Amino acid sequence: KAGVTQTPRYLIKTRGQQVTLSCSPISGHRSVSWYQQTPGQGLQFLFEYFSETQRNKGNFPGRFSGRQFSNSRSEMNVSTLELGDSALYLCASSPGGQALAYEQYFGPGTRLTVT
Amino acid sequence: GQQLNQSPQSMFIQEGEDVSMNCTSSSIFNTWLWYKQDPGEGPVLLIALYKAGELTSNGRLTAQFGITRKDSFLNISASIPSDVGIYFCAGRSGGSNYKLTFGKGTLLTVNP
Repeated sequence: KAGVTQTPRYLIKTRGQQVTLSCSPISGHRSVSWYQQTPGQGLQFLFEYFSETQRNKGNFPGRFSGRQFSNSRSEMNVSTLELGDSALYLCASSPGGQALAYEQYFGPGTRLTVT
Repeated sequence: GQQLNQSPQSMFIQEGEDVSMNCTSSSIFNTWLWYKQDPGEGPVLLIALYKAGELTSNGRLTAQFGITRKDSFLNISASIPSDVGIYFCAGRSGGSNYKLTFGKGTLLTVNP
């Protein structure tokens, strides 16, 4: 099976702009989670989607949003970018059912730099 | 909120040595996961633990789910240079909560 794919891999944006990141989960996986990774804060949970519905949400401001499509692909959007949003954004997929629901498989990430 | 304390923060060992690292939580977890991350890549799942007291192996890696459900351990035996990387523990509290809480990571360096 192909793994989790994320596009783009690298992105440079300017403060105030908005950005959309994309994630394609492992085939058959219905749950997609997003994480922000920074040297100072480590890996922090943003939100999780299952069957096009947000099931869980982390403690991030409303500038961070996401959605999931019927084919389980997910997008994450950050509006009004701030310098502190520079990070590696990771997407993880899992089957989403009762069995093995919590084993999350990560993509390579999108490295976002805000200048 | 939930916090995971992972230790040690870094380790520098000789090839062939055994390695131990652990995570402790301020609250109970129902699931513990261990990941390894190489530079420029996403974390790779190594071992998943679902029951208190569970001991699971994956090759030279062995992990345990603490009986208090507030801690977990990862051991690597006979380390090799490709074991270099950052190891993360992650826990899930339970119920319908699919959020993972991650430790800060243990940076492992193996000297050939």
